[in-house]
Amino acid sequence: GENVEQHPSTLSVQEGDSAVIKCTYSDSASNYFPWYKQELGKRPQLIIDIRSNVGEKKDQRIAVTLNKTAKHFSLHITETQPEDSAVYFCAAGGGSNYKLTFGKGTLLTVNP
Amino acid sequence: DVKVTQSSRYLVKRTGEKVFLECVQDMDHENMFWYRQDPGLGLRLIYFSYDVKMKEKGDIPEGYSVSREKKERFSLILESASTNQTSMYLCASSPHPPGGQPQHFGDGTRLSIL
Repeated sequence: GENVEQHPSTLSVQEGDSAVIKCTYSDSASNYFPWYKQELGKRPQLIIDIRSNVGEKKDQRIAVTLNKTAKHFSLHITETQPEDSAVYFCAAGGGSNYKLTFGKGTLLTVNP
Repeated sequence: DVKVTQSSRYLVKRTGEKVFLECVQDMDHENMFWYRQDPGLGLRLIYFSYDVKMKEKGDIPEGYSVSREKKERFSLILESASTNQTSMYLCASSPHPPGGQPQHFGDGTRLSIL
């Protein structure tokens, strides 16, 4: 089955800096890669996703890149703000995978 | 906007009890999922359902069962609760295909088994 590795497990940055979270996946059949943000005590919410026919996608300060050959994808957050502090999860699925497989999460702390 | 509603935010039960967690979605999604969230382990899939009365085991189905009698409702059942089932339980729904579309999550149920 699919296996998703996520790094780092914790990340601390200063406000205004950039943050990068990386994930690798094992199943080349996966073709859908969402990222979720979970604030303390709240539900995971989709912040951006990418499909395998696209190499990069941006939404304001957030971008995701996908390298199908290397089977890895990354979340980039620029000009970080304290409200970006949360746990971020990557996931992989689609194709012959009937489910999403999640990474273990990254706790991002943005220090004012 | 998609609404996934879990019946309880907090629940305390005793070992050996039969426990029911309920989830309702209002977007006519075909797929519904139950996850367990533990610190450092991420989201682990317990069961999912792709249609009424249909179910598939996820990665950690032992000690759990599910029921989907209506499209909008998906129930997770702990047949005989044990302390190692103390956790946060998250329900989600999505349109088809189940692994290739965004999943929308409920607020979660924090279950404590004493």
